[in-house]
Amino acid sequence: AQSVTQLGSHVSVSEGALVLLRCNYSSSVPPYLFWYVQYPNQGLQLLLKYTTGATLVKGINGFEAEFKKSETSFHLTKPSAHMSDAAEYFCAVDYGGSQGNLIFGKGTKLSVKP
Amino acid sequence: DTEVTQTPKHLVMGMTNKKSLKCEQHMGHRAMYWYKQKAKKPPELMFVYSYEKLSINESVPSRFSPECPNSSLLNLHLHALQPEDSALYLCASSQDFDTSYEQYFGPGTRLTVT
Repeated sequence: AQSVTQLGSHVSVSEGALVLLRCNYSSSVPPYLFWYVQYPNQGLQLLLKYTTGATLVKGINGFEAEFKKSETSFHLTKPSAHMSDAAEYFCAVDYGGSQGNLIFGKGTKLSVKP
Repeated sequence: DTEVTQTPKHLVMGMTNKKSLKCEQHMGHRAMYWYKQKAKKPPELMFVYSYEKLSINESVPSRFSPECPNSSLLNLHLHALQPEDSALYLCASSQDFDTSYEQYFGPGTRLTVT
């Protein structure tokens, strides 16, 4: 079955440090890839998406992700963490076709220490 | 306007009650979704409406009954729920169903079944 894996259910960084959240997908056919963020007691907000074209995708709030087909990865990065980045992050894939629904990873909770 | 609104924000109901959750979007999106999210878990797809017709029902118990009165509104009717149905219910919409268009999520309704 097609799936998406997020390595690390909890990542903790210091304010100002690099943020790296890992996501791997399971298909040899590149899917559409998304990163969503969820703040406590809120819905999901789209950070960025990859469909086709440039493999380095820039999103909101200073986040970016790089699609690497050879590694079947779509890791999320931010050069300098801010306290307001503390949230749950979900990687999601859409393999297209007629289903059109998202397959979510289990999520990574990001904590930012002062 | 990229907003999906949901009402109510919080709902407490007994197991014999009947209640409804409401979702609205004015982005002209033709696909709308209901998700259920338990604590510390990713969203789980329940229903998908495409062009106001039910396209996907992920084997959801009949005590959950979706309705799409028009292209902007999506309801979820609840009856005879169980305590394990307590969760955050998220509505989402996307421009179309079987493409790579991203989903926009509402803030959710926090449901507690007593």
